Amino acid sequence: EAQVTQNPRYLITVTGKKLTVTCSQNMNHEYMSWYRQDPGLGLRQIYYSMNVEVTDKGDVPEGYKVSRKEKRNFPLILESPSPNQTSLYFCASSLGLRGTYNEQFFGPGTRLTVL
Amino acid sequence: GESVGLHLPTLSVQEGDNSIINCAYSNSASDYFIWYKQESGKGPQFIIDIRSNMDKRQGQRVTVLLNKTVKHLSLQIAATQPGDSAVYFCAEKGGGSNYKLTFGKGTLLTVNP
Repeated sequence: EAQVTQNPRYLITVTGKKLTVTCSQNMNHEYMSWYRQDPGLGLRQIYYSMNVEVTDKGDVPEGYKVSRKEKRNFPLILESPSPNQTSLYFCASSLGLRGTYNEQFFGPGTRLTVL
Repeated sequence: GESVGLHLPTLSVQEGDNSIINCAYSNSASDYFIWYKQESGKGPQFIIDIRSNMDKRQGQRVTVLLNKTVKHLSLQIAATQPGDSAVYFCAEKGGGSNYKLTFGKGTLLTVNP
């Protein structure tokens, strides 16, 4: 089954404790991206990656890191989480954004709470 | 399910009516636009996309219209069904080699039976 998986789905942590949210896709997609979703603010892009070893900042990259060592994986790293990073996080992937048919598949979301 | 937004613009329609959801985008250089649907507790789901060299594109029961002059995008849903109830987001891609996606804040569509 073609899908984007994220782990964990729910996480409660404390300020300053490093964490990683994993994202994996099995569709051989080039483009992967991380978003956070907050009430009243909609979806905001954190980082995106056009391909292996190619990453770039979205609208809200501060406090986050990413890596793209393999095509299928795109982990999101919070080196020192803070309460303002409490949010619902989505990973997504698509073939690319150059053509018309670039359906972006979203993962199920990770609810992160930083105390 | 998860709440996807508070104080969103809302649109309430009767089942069977046509719905029109509007979106104003910000970047005149944006060259690709996408509409997503998000049901409560789920991730966004792709509906339809359109490139900036087009004015209109049709899918199954959905049509996207693009007016670059006023930087406006709309999603038309024909014969709206209760299953269409969700939050709808538009997104724009920066022009050229800029692959950043910027999302609108969303519109909550409620379909009354």
